[in-house]
Amino acid sequence: SQQGEEDPQALSIQEGENATMNCSYKTSINNLQWYRQNSGRGLVHLILIRSNEREKHSGRLRVTLDTSKKSSSLLITASRAADTASYFCATRGGGQNFVFGPGTRLSVLP
Amino acid sequence: DSGVTQTPKHLITATGQRVTLRCSPRSGDLSVYWYQQSLDQGLQFLIQYYNGEERAKGNILERFSAQQFPDLHSELNLSSLELGDSALYFCASSAPQEGSQETQYFGPGTRLLVL
Repeated sequence: SQQGEEDPQALSIQEGENATMNCSYKTSINNLQWYRQNSGRGLVHLILIRSNEREKHSGRLRVTLDTSKKSSSLLITASRAADTASYFCATRGGGQNFVFGPGTRLSVLP
Repeated sequence: DSGVTQTPKHLITATGQRVTLRCSPRSGDLSVYWYQQSLDQGLQFLIQYYNGEERAKGNILERFSAQQFPDLHSELNLSSLELGDSALYFCASSAPQEGSQETQYFGPGTRLLVL
């Protein structure tokens, strides 16, 4: 079964608004990562948060991690049309595999 | 540009055929991962190699095989192709980091269409 599950599946917002995506996972993890994928392109790493961290920032990105609820959220502030993409969370537990969720498709309308 | 290269970009072939996808990792990266992305299955981990050795196996079919060569490039071989094998195939590489903290750098993918 999927380790990571993003929510919502799709999100449509206006430029300048904030976008929030959530990720839930099932087992214990070492870290959780967020990736972005523009249509048909390779995934690009955005941010990594370790299991002992609760919040992390990178530019307009803010990631939170709640290990007690096995969930994470990605907030993109002041969104731009160029943020239109699919966003995936990826978890890695004790094994070597990265497990990606099905992704959230974000559309930022000008 | 992630520094990971994949060839070919596009591949069109027929059912029953065999193809080879090639990946060159970023300079210095020892790990190579292969993923399959299809519309109905999402991004599925296939297999990982580390410095020439198989490290982890995911949802890889027996018709598929991979290897990593001494120069660290990797090839994914897909045989007896079926229509359902049509997908984007991504390679990713990572550098060894302590505590499994490494991130992956993805190539642009190979789009395979089986007719």
